[in-house]
Amino acid sequence: EIVLTQSPATLSLSPGERATLSCRASHSVDSRYLAWYQQKPGQAPGLLIHGASTRATGIPARFSGSGSGTDFTLTISSLEPEDFAVYYCQQRINRGTFGQGTKVEIK
Amino acid sequence: EVQLVESGGGLVQPGRSLRLSCTASGFTFGDYPMSWVRQAPGKGLEWVGFIRSKALGGAIEHAASVEDRFTISRDDSKSIAYLQMNSLKPEDTGVYYCTRETPHLGASDCWGQGTLVTVTS
Repeated sequence: EIVLTQSPATLSLSPGERATLSCRASHSVDSRYLAWYQQKPGQAPGLLIHGASTRATGIPARFSGSGSGTDFTLTISSLEPEDFAVYYCQQRINRGTFGQGTKVEIK
Repeated sequence: EVQLVESGGGLVQPGRSLRLSCTASGFTFGDYPMSWVRQAPGKGLEWVGFIRSKALGGAIEHAASVEDRFTISRDDSKSIAYLQMNSLKPEDTGVYYCTRETPHLGASDCWGQGTLVTVTS
């Protein structure tokens, strides 16, 4: 099983600041099968990024994904009030696993 | 509009069975793999399993944590995916989401609202 470890667990930032979220895999992951999701309280998750770096339909350009192999990053260039949420990475090359999530909270 | 609606959740005793349904609309169901993801109260997401469309071979995979108790199936004629859960345990408690996966890539681009399963005596 591929284990995904996200860091930090919590990120405390102010609107307008840059957020950098990390997702590290226990084994190499084909970047085509790495995705990022956003979940707000009381809601189902929504797809942000697939293929490690391709934004899903309707996702603003302030969200970007990068990385390869075992290290992947989600960057939010300038936080908007609606971006404070929990973010999960997921791999689907070997069954499917999610990271434990990073909560981006208002400082 | 693409829509997924889960049903079948509820309160169930340990050791009993439950079948969840996911009714899809707004897209050609048979063209897409479908998956189930669960979330225990206050916890993160856990992938449960997926079923590929019949057109792509109909392969099924389950997470190791549930593969001896849970079974995913689908009825393309009715646009419904199912999750059969047997020998339920208290740790199976949570919200179960149905998702549509992008073909060949596995990313879940559409999610249902979820259905709550509570396993307790």
